[in-house]
Amino acid sequence: SQQGEEDPQALSIQEGENATMNCSYKTSINNLQWYRQNSGRGLVHLILIRSNEREKHSGRLRVTLDTSKKSSSLLITASRAADTASYFCATDPNNNDMRFGAGTRLTVKP
Amino acid sequence: DAGITQSPRHKVTETGTPVTLRCHQTENHRYMYWYRQDPGHGLRLIHYSYGVKDTDKGEVSDGYSVSRSKTEDFLLTLESATSSQTSVYFCAIRSMDLPGELFFGEGSRLTVL
Repeated sequence: SQQGEEDPQALSIQEGENATMNCSYKTSINNLQWYRQNSGRGLVHLILIRSNEREKHSGRLRVTLDTSKKSSSLLITASRAADTASYFCATDPNNNDMRFGAGTRLTVKP
Repeated sequence: DAGITQSPRHKVTETGTPVTLRCHQTENHRYMYWYRQDPGHGLRLIHYSYGVKDTDKGEVSDGYSVSRSKTEDFLLTLESATSSQTSVYFCAIRSMDLPGELFFGEGSRLTVL
């Protein structure tokens, strides 16, 4: 079964608004990562947060991690049409393999 | 550019035929992965490798086998393709600079008729 589950499955916002996606996972982790996938392309790594970190920033991205609730959130501020993509969280429950959720499909309308 | 290529990028085949997908890397990374992506399921791990001749099963390994005879190549084989294996297959390699970060290929779209 999948390790991570994203919520919502789909999100549609206007350009300039903030987008928040959530991820819940099942087992203990070493780190949690977020990836982006443009239509028809491979996934691209966005940001990694370690299990001993609570918040991390990268440009317009902010990731939080709550290990007690086994959840993470990805916030994209001041969204742009080019942010339209699917976003996935991934965890490494076994330190070897990487498990992904089903993703959130984000649409940013110009 | 992570130096990872998949071939073929597109393939149409018939039920019961064998299919091999190839993943080639130029980065000398130890870890390589095969995932399949289907609507509503996200990415599901098929098999992964942690070194030459060292492989392990993922969550959806039935009907698939893999081989890794050299560091740069990781092959995924469908011995007898079925329609349920119609999917987009992604290969990934694991970065050594940032533990856990994966670099993905562009995908191989397989259609089994």
